[in-house]
Amino acid sequence: AQTVTQSQPEMSVQEAETVTLSCTYDTSENNYYLFWYKQPPSRQMILVIRQEAYKQQNATENRFSVNFQKAAKSFSLKISDSQLGDTAMYFCAFSNTQGGSEKLVFGKGTKLTVNP
Amino acid sequence: EAGVTQSPTHLIKTRGQQATLRCSPISGHTSVYWYQQALGLGLQFLLWYDEGEERNRGNFPPRFSGRQFPNYSSELNVNALELEDSALYLCASSPGTWKNEQYFGPGTRLTVT
Repeated sequence: AQTVTQSQPEMSVQEAETVTLSCTYDTSENNYYLFWYKQPPSRQMILVIRQEAYKQQNATENRFSVNFQKAAKSFSLKISDSQLGDTAMYFCAFSNTQGGSEKLVFGKGTKLTVNP
Repeated sequence: EAGVTQSPTHLIKTRGQQATLRCSPISGHTSVYWYQQALGLGLQFLLWYDEGEERNRGNFPPRFSGRQFPNYSSELNVNALELEDSALYLCASSPGTWKNEQYFGPGTRLTVT
């Protein structure tokens, strides 16, 4: 079974600074997807970024980028120029590419606070 | 484009009762997923529906059930409610199996007293 581990329950960062959230996962599959979701206090879960395991290039979405290390099964999220609106719970998630098993497996989350 | 919608926002039930939660996916999405977000337990996969069929089920008892309608909206039913069923229930939809991207609704907060 796949597992996702986020080892940082809480983190804080000053506005405009950079912060990196860690995520490791365990799977025997070779092809899969990895995601970072953001859940602000208003609770709507928002997809931040997506990485396909067969792509070596790290995904980037504006201020959000990932460091995907397939051999190490590591998938960290870097937030540059942090903004107050980035305050939220961040969940790392794994999804198999095999049909019939497309549930998302989530980590426990990291609570990020951006301080003014 | 309208996002995933869920109703009701809040639901209060007593132990032993039944709860029905509803979800409307993004237009064009055929897959609907249900997750339970309970305090201290994180997000747990409940059910996945695609094209009206149940495709996968998480490790939950049979009193958690659901269905998907021809318009791809979905219903989650929880029978014989227990106190530990109190949680935020999130629905997500997906445009198709190959992308694996899931877009979430705002959730239904179920409280069992």
